[in-house]
Amino acid sequence: RKEVEQDPGPFNVPEGATVAFNCTYSNSASQSFFWYRQDCRKEPKLLMSVYSSGNEDGRFTAQLNRASQYISLLIRDSKLSDSATYLCVVNTGFQKLVFGTGTRLLVSP
Amino acid sequence: EAGVAQSPRYKIIEKRQSVAFWCNPISGHATLYWYQQILGQGPKLLIQFQNNGVVDDSQLPKDRFSAERLKGVDSTLKIQPAKLEDSAVYLCASSFSGGVGDTQYFGPGTRLTVL
Repeated sequence: RKEVEQDPGPFNVPEGATVAFNCTYSNSASQSFFWYRQDCRKEPKLLMSVYSSGNEDGRFTAQLNRASQYISLLIRDSKLSDSATYLCVVNTGFQKLVFGTGTRLLVSP
Repeated sequence: EAGVAQSPRYKIIEKRQSVAFWCNPISGHATLYWYQQILGQGPKLLIQFQNNGVVDDSQLPKDRFSAERLKGVDSTLKIQPAKLEDSAVYLCASSFSGGVGDTQYFGPGTRLTVL
């Protein structure tokens, strides 16, 4: 089983739609969680950290379920500029980040 | 604030040749990471430095890959000899202290093609 698993997509949605991505992780001792965004042929950039209480940043909401070992990202009112690959990232301890394969999102007009 | 710098941006070599990549982290960042990202996959950690010491190199193919961070600032990653399966983007990242909640900042990467 992979340490971090994501549906690779692509998710094709129209502008204005709401879309959700899930990610599961295998190491129950994992300590911190993140969503990174990666545009085509660019480097990954931190989108948001994920906290147990859930957190929101504008149109983006991230949630963590430690009992079920999954993380989610919700994007509301999708924009064309949201088209990218979203990487689920888990800190498994000892300062080590493990990246999922990414979920590709395509927002169309 | 200047970001993570990497060079070269692109490199094409033939199998069995050698290649080296360079990384300059954000000033003041103690932790430096090298990742390999194969097309369609997420980045995979190759090696992590804390200042000039190695914290984790468990996924570095040590028979052909080597890395150093002399003086705890710049770093180089070398592949010798290269194989076809080494074709990937090599990403360098840095963080302030490498702590659990620390943000990693990535450089633009070096795209390596091995023919």
